[in-house]
Amino acid sequence: TQLLEQSPQFLSIQEGENLTVYCNSSSVFSSLQWYRQEPGEGPVLLVTVVTGGEVKKLKRLTFQFGDARKDSSLHITAAQPGDTGLYLCAGEWTSGTYKYIFGTGTRLKVLA
Amino acid sequence: GAGVSQSPRYKVAKRGQDVALRCDPISGHVSLFWYQQALGQGPEFLTYFQNEAQLDKSGLPSDRFFAERPEGSVSTLKIQRTQQEDSAVYLCASSPYSTGISNQPQHFGDGTRLSIL
Repeated sequence: TQLLEQSPQFLSIQEGENLTVYCNSSSVFSSLQWYRQEPGEGPVLLVTVVTGGEVKKLKRLTFQFGDARKDSSLHITAAQPGDTGLYLCAGEWTSGTYKYIFGTGTRLKVLA
Repeated sequence: GAGVSQSPRYKVAKRGQDVALRCDPISGHVSLFWYQQALGQGPEFLTYFQNEAQLDKSGLPSDRFFAERPEGSVSTLKIQRTQQEDSAVYLCASSPYSTGISNQPQHFGDGTRLSIL
């Protein structure tokens, strides 16, 4: 069974602080995606990482894919209230089928 | 519209009733996924279509759940004899290509919130 565990599950921080969210698995994925989801809406894709060790930056967000393609991290610098939301990682599984396995989610609240 | 559209947005049903949830993917998208999302959790995979072919239905919780995409565009997720544990948000996503092409973006609809009384 492919599982993606995210930590922390909840995070409440002050505006301007930095934070890191982790996404870990014992399975190897073809690629890994990060999404942010607002209440009442579907997840919105932030980034896809494909190569082991890959680092991608999206403004104040830095995403890294583990060397073995089993884990990933999302680092936010100088968090803002607009960063509040549910952050989800999703691993692309292509062995024998084609599907995405979502992580357990990290709910972030940034206080002004 | 340009995005994935799901209807209805909200559905309330009594236990034992049948429900049908609709997904209109982005035009021309080959792949279509259904997910079930419990409150505060990540989406859980239900089933995957490549055009009209249902290639993976391993995530469907029971034989009460049935999905179809007869013409390779609109998809319907049907739940028969609903039970309270079926209450969740059901999300649909589409992506442009078929299997074998990695790194595809998934475009999600806003989901159908199903409540079983």
